[in-house]
Amino acid sequence: QVQLQESGPGLVKPSQTLSLTCTVSGDSIISGSFYWSWIRQPAGKGLEWLGRFYSSGYTNYNPSLMSRVTISSDTSKNQFSLRLNYVTAADSAVYYCARGALEMATVWGRGTQVTVSS
Amino acid sequence: NFMLTQPHSVSESPGKTVIISCTRSSGSITSNYVQWYQQRPGSAPTTVIYEDNHRPSGVPDRFSGSIDSSSNSASLTISGLKTEDEADYYCQSYDGGLVFGGGTKLTVL
Repeated sequence: QVQLQESGPGLVKPSQTLSLTCTVSGDSIISGSFYWSWIRQPAGKGLEWLGRFYSSGYTNYNPSLMSRVTISSDTSKNQFSLRLNYVTAADSAVYYCARGALEMATVWGRGTQVTVSS
Repeated sequence: NFMLTQPHSVSESPGKTVIISCTRSSGSITSNYVQWYQQRPGSAPTTVIYEDNHRPSGVPDRFSGSIDSSSNSASLTISGLKTEDEADYYCQSYDGGLVFGGGTKLTVL
């Protein structure tokens, strides 16, 4: 059974870079069967898709964040990562990684809280 | 680009049936699959419906999904409501990336 686990700093200073890693167990991120996404949720608000990675190296991003977001992978560790540049308080949220087919995200990690504050 | 609009909240009594709608703002609702996610307080979302009307294993058949092209909307129906169904529910579709509705808070009282 696939499991995803987010990790990274819980506190990031404004204007700095948020970096998170998703460690996957029970499946290979290069199996070619699924897409691997990052999704976030500010406190008390809804879900926002940030972008995703596919085994071929393909990535695509939410147009509203594309200039600040990078998703990459470390296949030797079966991990994929999120980098979000120039963060502000509006980027404070619970960040989730998820696995899914082309049009969905069917298995989610438990999420990790990131707060942007000086 | 399109948006998915959900009611902010719904409430119903235990044992009853509730329907949560999700309306697509432009383009046909049938163009892309619709998924539904349940999120209990303090927990990550879990999938209750995928590809419009399919239930993952372990999701009770009290949960069902449907598509109505005449209203350009999708619906999540939960029958035989239980207090454990109280949660936020999000619809999601696809537009080159994942698009989420704003979420509906279901209260079972």
